[in-house]
Amino acid sequence: QKEVEQNSGPLSVPEGAIASLNCTYSDRGSQSFFWYRQYSGKSPELIMFIYSNGDKEDGRFTAQLNKASQYVSLLIRDSQPSDSATYLCAVYFQGAQKLVFGQGTRLTINP
Amino acid sequence: GAGVSQSPSNKVTEKGKDVELRCDPISGHTALYWYRQSLGQGLEFLIYFQGNSAPDKSGLPSDRFSAERTGGSVSTLTIQRTQQEDSAVYLCASSITASGGQETQYFGPGTRLLVL
Repeated sequence: QKEVEQNSGPLSVPEGAIASLNCTYSDRGSQSFFWYRQYSGKSPELIMFIYSNGDKEDGRFTAQLNKASQYVSLLIRDSQPSDSATYLCAVYFQGAQKLVFGQGTRLTINP
Repeated sequence: GAGVSQSPSNKVTEKGKDVELRCDPISGHTALYWYRQSLGQGLEFLIYFQGNSAPDKSGLPSDRFSAERTGGSVSTLTIQRTQQEDSAVYLCASSITASGGQETQYFGPGTRLLVL
């Protein structure tokens, strides 16, 4: 099992719909979870972090965390073509004391 | 404030030559990571420095790769005897770890390496 696993996609969503991105992780002791967005040819940029179980909302973005299931997701409401990018899930592994990234999910929003 | 900077932004070299890539982290950030990203691929972890601890070199793909971090700040990634498969974007990120692992990484713009 990969340490942090994401569906590689590509995920295609019509404009205005909800895009749902999923991530599972192997370290049960992990406490900190991050979503990064990477546009083609650019560096990753942080868009959200979540530390507690439940939902965290920021504008059109909602991060959801379920530590018991070792699952974190990112929902993008009212998807826009500008949301088309690769989304990277990252988990801070307590044992190794380092941030571990998933392989990313490529999202395309179709006008 | 200043973000993470990397130099050079682009590097073209011939197979067999050595290259050095530089990363200036955000001031005060104790952690520094190097990643490699090939075209269309995910981030490949290379090496991780945290404060004065011994670096985590578990991601270095071969002994041709090495990295240093001087004075807990600037880091240099060296690739000796470059091969064509080393062509990729090399990304540096820095962070400061708060209690509980609340660590947010900030990425530099990357160095695009092309080995001919």
